[in-house]
Amino acid sequence: EAGVTQFPSHSVIEKGQTVTLRCDPISGHDNLYWYRRVMGKEIKFLLHFVKESKQDESGMPNNRFLAERTGGTYSTLKVQPAELEDSGVYFCASSQGTSGGKNIQYFGAGTRLSVL
Amino acid sequence: GENVEQHPSTLSVQEGDSAVIKCTYSDSASNYFPWYKQELGKRPQLIIDIRSNVGEKKDQRIAVTLNKTAKHFSLHITETQPEDSAVYFCAASFGIQFGNEKLTFGTGTRLTIIP
Repeated sequence: EAGVTQFPSHSVIEKGQTVTLRCDPISGHDNLYWYRRVMGKEIKFLLHFVKESKQDESGMPNNRFLAERTGGTYSTLKVQPAELEDSGVYFCASSQGTSGGKNIQYFGAGTRLSVL
Repeated sequence: GENVEQHPSTLSVQEGDSAVIKCTYSDSASNYFPWYKQELGKRPQLIIDIRSNVGEKKDQRIAVTLNKTAKHFSLHITETQPEDSAVYFCAASFGIQFGNEKLTFGTGTRLTIIP
């Protein structure tokens, strides 16, 4: 089965520009998560979709970040305007839901965002 | 919120020796603890996980132990091989208990196996 796919793999933009990251989850997975790893630190949670609804967006850093998941399939994460501190690797993960008391999340390879 | 600490940040072991990575968590409500392995340029992949109702779990050369009282869990890799070289992340989650399934990660351990 196809895994979680993220586009682009790498994006280099200038401060103040806009960037849109895309995530295609595993087919049939209702849960979609966005995470970010900045400068070799821990991978931090950004938000969680259940189908098209935002279940938890407590990790979104500020209103320059906008995530959407129209139709409950793929998701986009837009950063507008981008700042230097937004540089990092953005991961997307998806899961089928809870089974046996656990919810296995499958990760994409990430989008490396460099803001200059 | 939950906080996960991971040690060491880097670890080098001779091929064939064992490697141990330790994590502690802060919130006693966490009940699901996965470990992910990320090879260079690839996606993080789940290698083993454990729920809070189990103290130990083993899968071939990989094992995870959990001490709920002390709130720490560890990854053990025996008979290490060059392909074990990667960054390993521990994580904690509330699971379904509070309808909040986000993962809180440690900072990662870069494991290098020396041939």
